[in-house]
Amino acid sequence: GAVVSQHPSRVICKSGTSVKIECRSLDFQATTMFWYRQFPKQSLMLMATSNEGSKATYEQGVEKDKFLINHASLTLSTLTVTSAHPEDSSFYICSARFYNEQFFGPGTRLTVL
Amino acid sequence: DQQVKQNSPSLSVQEGRISILNCDYTNSMFDYFLWYKKYPAEGPTFLISISSIKDKNEDGRFTVFLNKSAKHLSLHIVPSQPGDSAVYFCAASAGFSNDYKLSFGAGTTVTVRA
Repeated sequence: GAVVSQHPSRVICKSGTSVKIECRSLDFQATTMFWYRQFPKQSLMLMATSNEGSKATYEQGVEKDKFLINHASLTLSTLTVTSAHPEDSSFYICSARFYNEQFFGPGTRLTVL
Repeated sequence: DQQVKQNSPSLSVQEGRISILNCDYTNSMFDYFLWYKKYPAEGPTFLISISSIKDKNEDGRFTVFLNKSAKHLSLHIVPSQPGDSAVYFCAASAGFSNDYKLSFGAGTTVTVRA
């Protein structure tokens, strides 16, 4: 099946720093990638839709200046959490679309101290 | 506004028996439905899907049923195995008309007892 990787799997940073998370589709090209956030014991909340070569589309309530998304190629999208604060601590998951289905990465656990 | 609802947060079933997970949706534009399995601190894994033109799709131990008139779908797992213990998410998509975005339910935690 289609494989999506995320890096890093876990990151701890100080408040005020920026963190970049990479999402790669390893064996297929994905024109569309999605970024989700999951709080403990809750569902996956879509943050933004990332299309290769164009600006990301953010869901209502998601700050685009805080969560910078770049989709530079058909196999790579990055999410940068800028000036991270403790409330940004969460589990971030990306997915890559292949036809009608989305294949998810393993997730990145971000902890902001 | 929760467009996909999983009203049972948890389900406990004995090994070998059937697990039935339910999901309801409100958006009539949804035309593709998926079930994902998720372990803690991991990304969701695709299980099975169904298009709105079908009412049943089967893959091994997993069967998904779709009742469009009731806006309801269910996932049957039979026989249930200990390795099936996980959180199961129902998801729905309106396809191209909505950039293939997925709306997720809140999840149902399945525990299979030996």
